[in-house]
Amino acid sequence: GIQVEQSPPDLILQEGANSTLRCNFSDSVNNLQWFHQNPWGQLINLFYIPSGTKQNGRLSATTVATERYSLLYISSSQTTDSGVYFCAVVIQGAQKLVFGQGTRLTINP
Amino acid sequence: GAGVSQSPSNKVTEKGKDVELRCDPISGHTALYWYRQSLGQGLEFLIYFQGNSAPDKSGLPSDRFSAERTGGSVSTLTIQRTQQEDSAVYLCASSYGLAGGGGTQYFGPGTRLTVL
Repeated sequence: GIQVEQSPPDLILQEGANSTLRCNFSDSVNNLQWFHQNPWGQLINLFYIPSGTKQNGRLSATTVATERYSLLYISSSQTTDSGVYFCAVVIQGAQKLVFGQGTRLTINP
Repeated sequence: GAGVSQSPSNKVTEKGKDVELRCDPISGHTALYWYRQSLGQGLEFLIYFQGNSAPDKSGLPSDRFSAERTGGSVSTLTIQRTQQEDSAVYLCASSYGLAGGGGTQYFGPGTRLTVL
């Protein structure tokens, strides 16, 4: 099946720093979503981005479908950005999301 | 409703008992998905429903797991004869249209199941 790999697995930063999270996938996809799992376990939708670039405030994402990777950028990090960030994809012909193992981001004050 | 809701939020049960987990999708969403999140396996797909079509049960780990969706809305995930390895957070998601057709999946808060 499709492999979804996220890097780095852990990232510790000071408040105000910028970060880049990466998601590589091994097959063509119809759907790619980025989620933030907060400390209470809720998966929050960040982006639906099977291709192209999107921005939402301090967050932006870029997916290069032909090269099978996506990047999530967080600028001017805040402590509330802490949590686990997941990338999930749907391969062509399927409907289920396949998740990466996540990147655990810790923002220290 | 405003989002996907799930109940109960926490469930503690004894090994061998049956449990039912409930999901209320976002109103108007035609597709409903169940996933589970456990320490050893990460986030994994269990089953999805789309309209009146037969569900895709390909992710169910054993025949002790079953799910139904009544009236195209509420869904119940049932685990029979629970085992300790069933302990996990069970997450429900819904989308307007199928994920493969571009439907964004929105997740509920989950049910944390602990099997003693």
